[in-house]
Amino acid sequence: SSELTQDPAVSVALGQTVRITCQGDSLRNYYTSWYQQKPGQAPILVNYYLDKRPSGIPDRISGSTSGNTASLTITGAQAEDEAAYYCSSRDSTGHHMVFGGGTKLTVL
Amino acid sequence: QVQLQESGPGLVKPSGTLSLTCAVSGDSISRTNWWSWIRQPPGKGLEWIGELYHNGQTYYNPSLKSRVTMSVDKSKNHFSLNLTSVSAADTAVYYCASQLQRPFDSFDIWGPGTLVTVSA
Repeated sequence: SSELTQDPAVSVALGQTVRITCQGDSLRNYYTSWYQQKPGQAPILVNYYLDKRPSGIPDRISGSTSGNTASLTITGAQAEDEAAYYCSSRDSTGHHMVFGGGTKLTVL
Repeated sequence: QVQLQESGPGLVKPSGTLSLTCAVSGDSISRTNWWSWIRQPPGKGLEWIGELYHNGQTYYNPSLKSRVTMSVDKSKNHFSLNLTSVSAADTAVYYCASQLQRPFDSFDIWGPGTLVTVSA
């Protein structure tokens, strides 16, 4: 079982805002990273640390953390945002990495 | 720009050993970051297998620790994964990834992945 909990599925209307969450006690002490994965492709990093985005990731994808919950917010969702999103961080020991179970985002 | 490429057998027999290599191109494997292996069973989520520093320091997923060994070959600019006593539960796409140092801990670059099937 994962130490990071995500909702299995979320949907959003085209152009609307959606928040994907990741819960875990270790998030109080370690930063969260977020990955986007489309079918048949390797994941790509979309947000990490204090809302940092790798080159090429649009600024409508943002990240934040409050207490034990990290959030990935997509403002003005586009069809190309439809994908699975995974969070990752350290576990409670700090020695190992863990992933959330993933959230499948559907853009309606 | 760093690129990663996994290679190894696509089929392994039960109770055998899964061996994969990740070739690093575009930079030295001795750069200041960690290197990780991550897997994804068909239709399921991501599972971290372990991380490796170029000096040989490793950390493994506790659930796999007794079966996993990771190593680095600086002369070939690649790192490797060995997973022993495999079963059908180890069937997955295996990814190698570059991992930023603390406090970031992000997997910033991924290989395309390689499917390994455990079957007789």
